[in-house]
Amino acid sequence: AQTIHQWPVAEIKAVGSPLSLGCTIKGKSSPNLYWYWQATGGTLQQLFYSITVGQVESVVQLNLSASRPKDDQFILSTEKLLLSHSGFYLCAWRPTAYEQYFGPGTRLTVL
Amino acid sequence: EQQVQQSPASLVLQEAENAELQCSFSIFTNQVQWFYQRPGGRLVSLLYNPSGTKQSGRLTSTTVIKERRSSLHISSSQITDSGTYLCAMLSNYNVLYFGSGTKLTVEP
Repeated sequence: AQTIHQWPVAEIKAVGSPLSLGCTIKGKSSPNLYWYWQATGGTLQQLFYSITVGQVESVVQLNLSASRPKDDQFILSTEKLLLSHSGFYLCAWRPTAYEQYFGPGTRLTVL
Repeated sequence: EQQVQQSPASLVLQEAENAELQCSFSIFTNQVQWFYQRPGGRLVSLLYNPSGTKQSGRLTSTTVIKERRSSLHISSSQITDSGTYLCAMLSNYNVLYFGSGTKLTVEP
């Protein structure tokens, strides 16, 4: 069975500091992977997606970047955090157009 | 522009009552999905309903493409149904657009 892991579970970071959030999926080769973000009380938004190693498509510009360094790994990062980056980050795997499996999420607080 | 609109924003029910959640779309779509977000944030897929009526346990979804809307009916609500229900549509560009959700509270 496929499992999605995200790390860290939660982060408290200072404005201007760097950030790296990770997502890994086990038990599936060449997965289509997605990053989503939800501001507190806000709407869930798709940020990036990747269908293969080294290829990432950006959907929403939030001064964030994403990379797919390995087949089972998807990384979200920025060099300088903003207050507006606070929220809940979800990684997901989409095997078909009508199936979505989400990781447990990372809650980020930027102070 | 908000691609997906949901109503009501919140709903309070007594246990065993039924709930009706609504979703409307800015475009014609047959890629409609419903999700449940637990109070801690974890997201779970409930139903994929491209058109017509689909049922899963106590959940029934009806999607009418030509009217650009979908609904989710929860029958005999339980306290454990409390949480936020999200509808979403998948665009032709591999982007999943979510609504802002309906927060459901089921009281004893």
